[in-house]
Amino acid sequence: NAGVTQTPKFQVLKTGQSMTLQCAQDMNHNSMYWYRQDPGMGLRLIYYSASEGTTDKGEVPNGYNVSRLNKREFSLRLESAAPSQTSVYFCASNRDRGLANYGYTFGSGTRLTVV
Amino acid sequence: LAKTTQPISMDSYEGQEVNITCSHNNIATNDYITWYQQFPSQGPRFIIQGYKTKVTNEVASLFIPADRKSSTLSLPRVSLSDTAVYYCLVGDMASAGTALIFGKGTTLSVSS
Repeated sequence: NAGVTQTPKFQVLKTGQSMTLQCAQDMNHNSMYWYRQDPGMGLRLIYYSASEGTTDKGEVPNGYNVSRLNKREFSLRLESAAPSQTSVYFCASNRDRGLANYGYTFGSGTRLTVV
Repeated sequence: LAKTTQPISMDSYEGQEVNITCSHNNIATNDYITWYQQFPSQGPRFIIQGYKTKVTNEVASLFIPADRKSSTLSLPRVSLSDTAVYYCLVGDMASAGTALIFGKGTTLSVSS
């Protein structure tokens, strides 16, 4: 059981370049999330998807787009990368209603540097 | 979503019990209280969740008073490996797409 898988693990971009961060979960979870974490800070929510076909903005959506490709996959796209987007990006999923343990499952993160 | 307040940092020694208190005065009726642990360079990991009274698992205990305006995460006999950031979050986890908002968490440092 892989849980939540993020690719790539590391990436360096030049300012203005675009890229897509991939996230896939194999737990049949309904909800998926993208967070960013800057040094010494907590996680900030970028976008989330309550179910396949729906997406919503979080706290810091500017500069990002997302796609909920299917129930398993939720991608995050940077159309024109900026140095301010240098961060560690975490994807998470949640089962929502169910038995005990409603917690999120997080991926291992993507470390992105924009130069 | 209810906002939470918790200490920025705490220090402890190996073998001691650590209690981290979180304040959530505006908690809603359907909200659950969830705690996460994060080690450097890793994603947060679910520790424990509760709605009221006391919840205990193999890792920690969670104490929630009757008014639910605060909660306390209790880590028994901590070790060096418990050094991490601990986040307290409040939200209706049973609703589809509940988006948890993380604060800065509490950095716990355990020394020998």
